[in-house]
Amino acid sequence: DAKTTQPPSMDCAEGRAANLPCNHSTISGNEYVYWYRQIHSQGPQYIIHGLKNNETNEMASLIITEDRKSSTLILPHATLRDTAVYYCIVRPEYSGAGSYQLTFGKGTKLSVIP
Amino acid sequence: DAGVIQSPRHEVTEMGQEVTLRCKPISGHDYLFWYRQTMMRGLELLIYFNNNVPIDDSGMPEDRFSAKMPNASFSTLKIQPSEPRDSAVYFCASSLWEGRWETQYFGPGTRLLVL
Repeated sequence: DAKTTQPPSMDCAEGRAANLPCNHSTISGNEYVYWYRQIHSQGPQYIIHGLKNNETNEMASLIITEDRKSSTLILPHATLRDTAVYYCIVRPEYSGAGSYQLTFGKGTKLSVIP
Repeated sequence: DAGVIQSPRHEVTEMGQEVTLRCKPISGHDYLFWYRQTMMRGLELLIYFNNNVPIDDSGMPEDRFSAKMPNASFSTLKIQPSEPRDSAVYFCASSLWEGRWETQYFGPGTRLLVL
């Protein structure tokens, strides 16, 4: 019952932009797209989230297609410290107790190469 | 501002012993979550609290697990008695309800090994 599909792994050269795709073709109108990452032996780290519009913060940019069926997380200048597993998560706007579940799939293992 | 603080960071114990994991959420946050991560099952939500009150404990694996939140700045997850299959990394996360969503911030985790 996976809501998102991500490539299992990607490589990116240090200093280049890392573009991580996510497919969420069954997303509903009230569901947000969240991105987290987990660096080895650390807790998951929030990166960014969005509903319809593209979003940018100090860590990354999130590009959501107009039909909202896919999105791309962009790390503009990847560094070695960005090597991690990146999780794309679809979750609804609050609609009851169960809404708080963050369901992490297998994610994309991003390797930033010197 | 300090993030979510968990202790201990590592715990090694023997089967049958009681284990207590501790969490201090980010100040001002009104939700607290306990997760468990294993290679086989990934990240699982065990229980969460809102304003110190347990809301959903459907993820707690069995009666050996219990969680409390006596005040807004402290929570514990207890396993009694512990078993080898409880070996995992346990994460605490906290969040602030912002009207339509909440963003969970995770602690560094407690790596538990039950021998």
